[in-house]
Amino acid sequence: GAGVSQTPSNKVTEKGKYVELRCDPISGHTALYWYRQSLGQGPEFLIYFQGTGAADDSGLPNDRFFAVRPEGSVSTLKIQRTERGDSAVYLCASSARLAVAYNEQFFGPGTRLTVL
Amino acid sequence: GIQVEQSPPDLILQEGANSTLRCNFSDSVNNLQWFHQNPWGQLINLFYIPSGTKQNGRLSATTVATERYSLLYISSSQTTDSGVYFCAVIDSNYQLIWGAGTKLIIKP
Repeated sequence: GAGVSQTPSNKVTEKGKYVELRCDPISGHTALYWYRQSLGQGPEFLIYFQGTGAADDSGLPNDRFFAVRPEGSVSTLKIQRTERGDSAVYLCASSARLAVAYNEQFFGPGTRLTVL
Repeated sequence: GIQVEQSPPDLILQEGANSTLRCNFSDSVNNLQWFHQNPWGQLINLFYIPSGTKQNGRLSATTVATERYSLLYISSSQTTDSGVYFCAVIDSNYQLIWGAGTKLIIKP
């Protein structure tokens, strides 16, 4: 596709369950980012990948959160033992390359996660 | 780390009015982006503008990197311009550092 896509668009789960959120970046983009946005706030950085490796996962809030990008394209954000505080919109972005000066990031539509 | 401040936090205008949104940042940057988040939550890229001036239709942006600020101009506002406008800069760790946003409401 032409832009970043994310699935599902909405996910409702119960406290304690496991969820997976998928991101399909713009074709050819080597860098992929995950952010989380709570209502009324700007996005909060979680993790980014350069190729298959997680270059910086310092934004992941705890070890219940994990992300993979096994073939350097699609990425999956995994959340174990979900808590109500995990409810938010999870945004994925990609950029053509990682260099600071050439790093325009393009965002997907997000996955709205609700933990009951 | 870099701090990003946006003003005003809220702006209510009548359709057809012009507006200027401001973004100040605390350190030199190589990358600055303006986004519009529409009422459905989609983040739309407006400008990638680490320095200089760019125009796209009714929107234009200017970044003065040496003075650490950027301005977004919206002319002849339309109701579809409503939403939150974010400014974000890249830090040395490749993370986007976001301002708190300006919430714009355009009344018909």
